[in-house]
Amino acid sequence: DAGVTQSPTHLIKTRGQQVTLRCSPKSGHDTVSWYQQALGQGPQFIFQYYEEEERQRGNFPDRFSGHQFPNYSSELNVNALLLGDSALYLCASSQTLTGTNEKLFFGSGTQLSVL
Amino acid sequence: QKEVEQNSGPLSVPEGAIASLNCTYSDRGSQSFFWYRQYSGKSPELIMFIYSNGDKEDGRFTAQLNKASQYVSLLIRDSQPSDSATYLCAVNNYGQNFVFGPGTRLSVLP
Repeated sequence: DAGVTQSPTHLIKTRGQQVTLRCSPKSGHDTVSWYQQALGQGPQFIFQYYEEEERQRGNFPDRFSGHQFPNYSSELNVNALLLGDSALYLCASSQTLTGTNEKLFFGSGTQLSVL
Repeated sequence: QKEVEQNSGPLSVPEGAIASLNCTYSDRGSQSFFWYRQYSGKSPELIMFIYSNGDKEDGRFTAQLNKASQYVSLLIRDSQPSDSATYLCAVNNYGQNFVFGPGTRLSVLP
C-alpha cells in the first residue's frame, strides 16, 4: 500500500521563477492538503482540494495555486518566487468522511530553496 | 483566528523518564486532536489521536484531552533516545483544515 508520494524531493529556484510540486495521495484517500513548513515552525495550511476543487484556503497569496486531478493527485504551483518562499512543502492526504474524524497522512515533502 | 500553542522547548528528559508535552487550542469547536512526531529533516508522522475527553493509551504513549480547559497532552513513558524529535500538536473540526502548533522539541538524554 503506497503512502503519500511527493516529487521532487529538493528544488532550487531563483527569485521570480515559478515552481510546480506534485503529490499522489495514499491509496483510498480523496482529499489533498498542502502545507508550508518554515524551519523551526509548525506546518502552515495553504489549501485543500477535494473533488477537484479548492475546498479551503489558508492565509496565502494568490501566487500559490493548485489543482487536483481525477485520480486525486494534486499539484501546487507558486509563481513569482520570493526568498521567503523557501521552506519544506508538505502534501497530506486524508479521506473525507462526512460527520467523522479524518486522519492526515504526510508525504516526505519537497524542500524548496529560493536564491 | 484559530490557534494552537505549545512550548517550543527544548524539553530535556533522561532516558527512562516520563516526557510530558502540552498543547492548548483556541477553537472550542475542535473535535479531533492529533500528535505528530517529526524527526529533523523528515515529514510529520502520526503517533496518536484522541476524540473524547479522558486518556487514551497506546504502548508507551498516552494522550490526554480536556475539552473544557481546551488542553491536550502527550505522555511518553520510559523515554528512549529514539524519541528525540519535535512533537506537533494538531486540532481539527469536522470539515475544517488541521491547525498545527509550532511543535515542542524533545531531547532524551542517554
